[in-house]
Amino acid sequence: GNSVTQMEGPVTLSEEAFLTINCTYTATGYPSLFWYVQYPGEGLQLLLKATKADDKGSNKGFEATYRKETTSFHLEKGSVQVSDSAVYFCALNTNRDDKIIFGKGTRLHILP
Amino acid sequence: DTEVTQTPKHLVMGMTNKKSLKCEQHMGHRAMYWYKQKAKKPPELMFVYSYEKLSINESVPSRFSPECPNSSLLNLHLHALQPEDSALYLCASSQETAGPGLAVYEQYFGPGTRLTVT
Repeated sequence: GNSVTQMEGPVTLSEEAFLTINCTYTATGYPSLFWYVQYPGEGLQLLLKATKADDKGSNKGFEATYRKETTSFHLEKGSVQVSDSAVYFCALNTNRDDKIIFGKGTRLHILP
Repeated sequence: DTEVTQTPKHLVMGMTNKKSLKCEQHMGHRAMYWYKQKAKKPPELMFVYSYEKLSINESVPSRFSPECPNSSLLNLHLHALQPEDSALYLCASSQETAGPGLAVYEQYFGPGTRLTVT
């Protein structure tokens, strides 16, 4: 079945450090891929998405590229801020049904 | 406007109470969803409505009863809940539901209702 695996957290970085959160997936067909972010005490916000191979999603300085050959969708940011502290979920959805498959989430702490 | 609103923000209820959660969107979306999220876990799908009709029920206990009165509103009626039902309940909407031969649309989430069952 479909699944998403992302790196375990928590991840702790200093402000202005480079961020990578790894995400790999298993899916039949051609899934759309997403990164959602959840700030403390809030719901999920769509951070970025990619719908086909080699697409790059980007938003708020975050980027992720849909790599079909490695079945990956790693999240990167060149210089993180304290305000980026949150839980990040990698997710996929296919047009086979309408169920988002979420990874377990990666908690990110940014130190000033 | 890409906003999904949910009320109330917090809810405390006893095991014999009846309460309802409300969700609203004005994006013209025709698919709406209820999720349950326990602490430090990803959201778990409960129900999907497509064009105001229930299309997916993920084997949710009958003490949770969804209702979609119109295309903008989604309710979740709660009755005789258990303490283990305490969680963050998230509503989401998308332009359409996905399906064979159809596009996949992103889901927009509300801020959630934090439910505590005592």
